[in-house]
Amino acid sequence: SQKIEQNSEALNIQEGKTATLTCNYTNYSPAYLQWYRQDPGRGPVFLLLIRENEKEKRKERLKVTFDTTLKQSLFHITASQPADSATYLCALEPGGSYIPTFGRGTSLIVHP
Amino acid sequence: GAVVSQHPSRVICKSGTSVKIECRSLDFQATTMFWYRQFPKQSLMLMATSNEGSKATYEQGVEKDKFLINHASLTLSTLTVTSAHPEDSSFYICSARDRDPGETQYFGPGTRLLVL
Repeated sequence: SQKIEQNSEALNIQEGKTATLTCNYTNYSPAYLQWYRQDPGRGPVFLLLIRENEKEKRKERLKVTFDTTLKQSLFHITASQPADSATYLCALEPGGSYIPTFGRGTSLIVHP
Repeated sequence: GAVVSQHPSRVICKSGTSVKIECRSLDFQATTMFWYRQFPKQSLMLMATSNEGSKATYEQGVEKDKFLINHASLTLSTLTVTSAHPEDSSFYICSARDRDPGETQYFGPGTRLLVL
């Protein structure tokens, strides 16, 4: 069956360090992979989209990699700040489909 | 960026009543809108996909007679929870997309439903 796995344990890091979150998937051939941020009691906010033929995408302090051989995406936040504390969701979308599927998300806590 | 609004943000109702949640795209035309439900510390679960002017496509296990979806215009979709029960209490979130697969989805702020 299709699975999207994100670490259910919260990631605790110190301010200024780089946070790295992982999204692994099985039995998918996603054409697109997206990362979202979700704060408690709020809807997700889009951060980055990466296509299957792209290895890496950057936006300010954010970087996403996409390895279709390993079936894995890594999401990095450099120079992390307490304001980056949130839950980060990855979502996969097969080619030709309008329907993305979301992982459970990983909580990031950045300590001052 | 594009904005999606939801109304109400929070609703408390008695068991057996119906609740309507509105989802609007404020500065773009949404050809496709999605409705999700999210339980605490769980992932977003897709309930249905709606395209303007056509019937919604419901995910397996979602009762279409209980969760009525209407996508009457390119900027408005509504979800009506009919005869709500306590187990329907959840966080309901809509999202909208204006074009093709792979384009960004914009999410609403969510509606917290509590059924007593």
